[in-house]
Amino acid sequence: GIQVEQSPPDLILQEGANSTLRCNFSDSVNNLQWFHQNPWGQLINLFYIPSGTKQNGRLSATTVATERYSLLYISSSQTTDSGVYFCAPGGGADGLTFGKGTHLIIQP
Amino acid sequence: ETGVTQSPTHLIKTRGQQVTLRCSSQSGHNTVSWYQQALGQGPQFIFQYYREEENGRGNFPPRFSGLQFPNYSSELNVNALELDDSALYLCASRGQGNTIYFGEGSWLTVV
Repeated sequence: GIQVEQSPPDLILQEGANSTLRCNFSDSVNNLQWFHQNPWGQLINLFYIPSGTKQNGRLSATTVATERYSLLYISSSQTTDSGVYFCAPGGGADGLTFGKGTHLIIQP
Repeated sequence: ETGVTQSPTHLIKTRGQQVTLRCSSQSGHNTVSWYQQALGQGPQFIFQYYREEENGRGNFPPRFSGLQFPNYSSELNVNALELDDSALYLCASRGQGNTIYFGEGSWLTVV
């Protein structure tokens, strides 16, 4: 199955800082999604991004499928951005494959 | 709001018992999948249903089973509960454009 590696595993930033989260995956994929999991366990879909670049407010994501990586950019961080960020390629009959996530803490 | 609701939110079961978790997704979301998330780990794919038929399964034993109903609701059943089954169980449905939406999850503790 697909192997997913996310980096960094942990990240502590001050409010207002920018960050880049990386996701490497072992095989070519047709689908990739980014999620934010809040402290209560809710997984929120941030992007469906099999390739190219998308932006949504302070967040943007880029997937380079041919090089098997995706990046999530967070600008002007807010404390509500804290949580765990997962990338998850797949989503067909084999389901999504999740990495271990990046645990982000934004300090006021 | 993701349009995916799960119940119950929390429950405690005894080892060896059986549990049924429920999920309701949006009308028209024909694909539903279930995931298990242990503490500190990413979610693991259990299985997927499309139009009431299982069409994909992860590395979980047969005591994990499911059903999907015509009204876009589904169930995850786990028999002969083990302590390691303690986890957050997440239901997800596929919306337009392949975007996947998760419910808030059911926290299961097996004692």
